[in-house]
Amino acid sequence: NAGVMQNPRHLVRRRGQEARLRCSPVKGHSHVYWYRQLPEEGLKFMVYLQKENIIDESGMPKERFSAEFPKEGPSILRIQQVVRGDSAAYFCASSPSTGTDTQYFGPGTRLTVL
Amino acid sequence: DQQVKQNSPSLSVQEGRISILNCDYTNSMFDYFLWYKKYPAEGPTFLISISSIKDKNEDGRFTVFLNKSAKHLSLHIVPSQPGDSAVYFCAASAVYNNNDMRFGAGTRLTVKP
Repeated sequence: NAGVMQNPRHLVRRRGQEARLRCSPVKGHSHVYWYRQLPEEGLKFMVYLQKENIIDESGMPKERFSAEFPKEGPSILRIQQVVRGDSAAYFCASSPSTGTDTQYFGPGTRLTVL
Repeated sequence: DQQVKQNSPSLSVQEGRISILNCDYTNSMFDYFLWYKKYPAEGPTFLISISSIKDKNEDGRFTVFLNKSAKHLSLHIVPSQPGDSAVYFCAASAVYNNNDMRFGAGTRLTVKP
């Protein structure tokens, strides 16, 4: 019974490079959420996706960040032209539906931008 | 805008005693509240939740209390165990928009043997 999988667990990029973070939800879950945890801060909502659709991206920075959840394969959070301020832990969560369903979190990807 | 606040970054408790973690929120539209526990190098795991129609929810050693008028909730752990040592996040959402779950900054609980 695999939980939410995220890879890579650690990612190091130089300024200006691209970062791709992958998230495989719990089997059967069709809702994926991405969160960012900056040092000394709580988790901050970034984007909510269902298969092939972005439902709510109100927490996403307007530039350089994008997310997708294709019909087949994992959800991808993509950060173009990374800057040092992008260094954070990025968590993915999944749920079977919205409402009061709890969200199951992956182990996170720690992005370090040099 | 910090709509969910955990004002104590850390808490240290003796094994067997009660741990009380506090959380305040500002958005009166929040009506569903959760506590997550997070160990180092792992993602948060769901612990317990409460909806606004209740003022208390209990699950084993864990009890969450909700005071809507004060916009305050607390998590009680009794008796505390060393394995409870972790960071605890309070989270809140409005059921109509469960996508936008807001988290506090977390409280690091240390339970000493």
